Amino acid sequence: EAQVTQNPRYLITVTGKKLTVTCSQNMNHEYMSWYRQDPGLGLRQIYYSMNVEVTDKGDVPEGYKVSRKEKRNFPLILESPSPNQTSLYFCASSSGTTRYEQYFGPGTRLTVT
Amino acid sequence: GENVEQHPSTLSVQEGDSAVIKCTYSDSASNYFPWYKQELGKRPQLIIDIRSNVGEKKDQRIAVTLNKTAKHFSLHITETQPEDSAVYFCAASRWDSNYQLIWGAGTKLIIKP
Repeated sequence: EAQVTQNPRYLITVTGKKLTVTCSQNMNHEYMSWYRQDPGLGLRQIYYSMNVEVTDKGDVPEGYKVSRKEKRNFPLILESPSPNQTSLYFCASSSGTTRYEQYFGPGTRLTVT
Repeated sequence: GENVEQHPSTLSVQEGDSAVIKCTYSDSASNYFPWYKQELGKRPQLIIDIRSNVGEKKDQRIAVTLNKTAKHFSLHITETQPEDSAVYFCAASRWDSNYQLIWGAGTKLIIKP
């Protein structure tokens, strides 16, 4: 089944404790992206990747890191989480070449206390 | 850069009536306009999209219209049903933007029984 998976789905952590949210897709998509969703603000892009070893900042990259060592994986790293990073996070992927449709993962709800 | 404004932020319609959500964009070079639906607690999913060489596209009860001159595009849902209740996001992109979608803030559609 074609899908984008994220783990964990829910995470409660404390300020400053490093965490990683994993994202994996099995559709051989070149393009992958991370968004955060906050009430009234819609979907804001954090980082995106055009292909392996190619990443770039989105609209709200501060406080986040990403890596793309393999085509299927695109982890989101919060080195020192803060309460303002409490949000719902979505990973998405797209083939980018023939179709622009973005396939979203199920989301990760992160709470930083 | 591109900016996408979406209105209204909340729309309440009687079941069976039509719903219209409108988005305006700022970059005249944008040429791809998708609409995503996000049901409560779920991930966004593409429901319909349109390219700038087409003025209108229909898929059963949903349709999207594009006015390039005025730089706005709209989602039309006819004969609304309870399962249409969701948040709808519009987005805009241009062919040379690395597949980047610029998102509207979303419209919460409520279908009243």
